[in-house]
Amino acid sequence: GENVEQHPSTLSVQEGDSAVIKCTYSDSASNYFPWYKQELGKGPQLIIDIRSNVGEKKDQRIAVTLNKTAKHFSLHITETQPEDSAVYFCAARGGNQFYFGTGTSLTVIP
Amino acid sequence: DSGVTQTPKHLITATGQRVTLRCSPRSGDLSVYWYQQSLDQGLQFLIQYYNGEERAKGNILERFSAQQFPDLHSELNLSSLELGDSALYFCASSKRGGFTDTQYFGPGTRLTVL
Repeated sequence: GENVEQHPSTLSVQEGDSAVIKCTYSDSASNYFPWYKQELGKGPQLIIDIRSNVGEKKDQRIAVTLNKTAKHFSLHITETQPEDSAVYFCAARGGNQFYFGTGTSLTVIP
Repeated sequence: DSGVTQTPKHLITATGQRVTLRCSPRSGDLSVYWYQQSLDQGLQFLIQYYNGEERAKGNILERFSAQQFPDLHSELNLSSLELGDSALYFCASSKRGGFTDTQYFGPGTRLTVL
């Protein structure tokens, strides 16, 4: 099956700086890559996603890039704010299943 | 608030017991997904239903079963519980269950097996 690796596991940035979280996947057939934000005590929330036929997608301060050849995709958050502090998960859809990374705990320091 | 409701919020039970977790999807959503989140295994996809039919199966143990009823609510049944089943169980729903459909997650049920 698919194997998704996510780095780093923890990330601290100063407010206003950028944050980058990276994921790699193993199955070249995976074709959809969502990113989720999970705040304490809540369920994951989709923040951005990308299909395998697209290299980059942006939504305001959040962007995702996908390199199919290298089998990796990254989440970029610019101008970070304290409310961006949360755990972020990447995921890959292979076949009919979703496979998740192990999560990155992002702390934005005011 | 995602619009997905899950009951109960917390559940404490003993090894060997059986429990049922309930999920009501967002209004208009036909597909329901179940996930398990634990410290050692992370977030794992268990199973997906669409309009009452099983659509996809993930790492769901044989001791676990699920169904989606005609009113579209879903139940996840966990039996012969083991200590390792202690986890957060999330339900999510989406409109049509397509692979790029946005999934909306509920607040989760925290299961503790003693």
